[in-house]
Amino acid sequence: AQRVTQPEKLLSVFKGAPVELKCNYSYSGSPELFWYVQYSRQRLQLLLRHISRESIKGFTADLNKGETSFHLKKPFAQEEDSAMYYCALSGTSGSRLTFGEGTQLTVNP
Amino acid sequence: DGGITQSPKYLFRKEGQNVTLSCEQNLNHDAMYWYRQDPGQGLRLIYYSQIVNDFQKGDIAEGYSVSREKKESFPLTVTSAQKNPTAFYLCASSVSRNTGELFFGEGSRLTVL
Repeated sequence: AQRVTQPEKLLSVFKGAPVELKCNYSYSGSPELFWYVQYSRQRLQLLLRHISRESIKGFTADLNKGETSFHLKKPFAQEEDSAMYYCALSGTSGSRLTFGEGTQLTVNP
Repeated sequence: DGGITQSPKYLFRKEGQNVTLSCEQNLNHDAMYWYRQDPGQGLRLIYYSQIVNDFQKGDIAEGYSVSREKKESFPLTVTSAQKNPTAFYLCASSVSRNTGELFFGEGSRLTVL
């Protein structure tokens, strides 16, 4: 079975501060990990995926297979980063994307 | 305007009634999905379809039914057997079964009175 855990339901930081949204997973095979974001009154959308190894809107995430984690990081948070963030996992067979519980990030001015 | 269209956005239903939520996509995607979004529980998969005329149960399929008669359409019926139907429902699609990049609709909020 595959499982994704986001231990923080709420996270609040000040503008300009670093931010880290935690994501832990359990999966017996080789997973694909994703971060999705939902801004206020917008659709849920893909932010980034681990295989791309890219930075999107200043966010990065590294897959740590030893710790089974895929934390999302940004060195300097902006107010427009305030949103709900979901970590998600897809197994090697594809098709089923399992989401975590989500973390509501608030960046205060 | 391409994408996923869900309707209605808001729906009220009396207990004991079935209700059908519409999901249409014009992205020519093979795979479609229904998720339920509840506060503190994230998104939970109800049903998914990898190809026309085929669909599989997700993690919380009890009390729900779907059909996939056309590639662009994947309606979800919330039956009276669903014990806690009040929720926000999200439809999504992907190019194929082997991608984790899902495109989501705006959602439908169902309230059972």
